Amino acid sequence: EAAVTQSPRNKVTVTGGNVTLSCRQTNSHNYMYWYRQDTGHGLRLIHYSYGAGNLQIGDVPDGYKATRTTQEDFFLLLELASPSQTSLYFCASSGTPSQNTLYFGAGTRLSVL
Amino acid sequence: GDSVTQTEGLVTLTEGLPVMLNCTYQTIYSNPFLFWYVHYLNESPRLLLKSSTDNKRTEHQGFHATLHKSSSSFHLQKSSAQLSDSALYYCALSYQGGRALIFGTGTTVSVSP
Repeated sequence: EAAVTQSPRNKVTVTGGNVTLSCRQTNSHNYMYWYRQDTGHGLRLIHYSYGAGNLQIGDVPDGYKATRTTQEDFFLLLELASPSQTSLYFCASSGTPSQNTLYFGAGTRLSVL
Repeated sequence: GDSVTQTEGLVTLTEGLPVMLNCTYQTIYSNPFLFWYVHYLNESPRLLLKSSTDNKRTEHQGFHATLHKSSSSFHLQKSSAQLSDSALYYCALSYQGGRALIFGTGTTVSVSP
C-alpha cells in the first residue's frame, strides 16, 4: 500500500506568519502534488512536481511556494500567511498523472488567524 | 479548457434508497480517463473506481459508473445506499500526457437511517 505522510496534522498561525507543510512519500513515485480543499471548491491544485528539483505551477499558486528536495520529499511554503489560506491541505503522489492512482496523505488543517 | 462538473453539492437520502451522483466533463482529448475518488471524514481521499473505456460499466465496492463519451458523462450509482456511504465524492478527469487530475467541486452524500 502506497504511503504518503504529511506533517504537521494541524497548524495554527497568525496573519503574516511563516508556515512550512511537509510531505514524504515512500512509493518511488515521480509525481507529487499539493492540493487545498475548500467547501464549494473541491480539491484545487496548488503546485506539483515530477521529480527532485522540479516544480510546476498549479491552478491556485498565489501566495504559495513549493520545493521538491528529493524524490520522497515535497514541501509547501507560505511565507506571509493570510486568512484566505485557512484550509485543509492534501499532499498526493502518483506514478503518472493520467492513468495511475493518486495516493493522498492524511491532510494538514491550517488556520491563519 | 478541461473541466469537470458535479451539479449536486449535497445529496441527502435514506438508507436503502438508490443514489446517483452526476459527473460531466469537457475536454478536447478523445481518450480521457475518468475517476471517482471518495473522501470519508477523518481519512485520506482514495480512489473508488476509474475508467477509460467507452460504454463499459466499472464496478467497485457496490458502486458502478459507465463512461459515455457521447454525452461526456461518468455518473456514479449505487442501488442501495448504506450509512457508511456518507462521504465526499469527487469526479476527476485526466488524459494521456496530462499534468494532473482535474477535479470537480465534489458532492457530499449524507445517508440517514
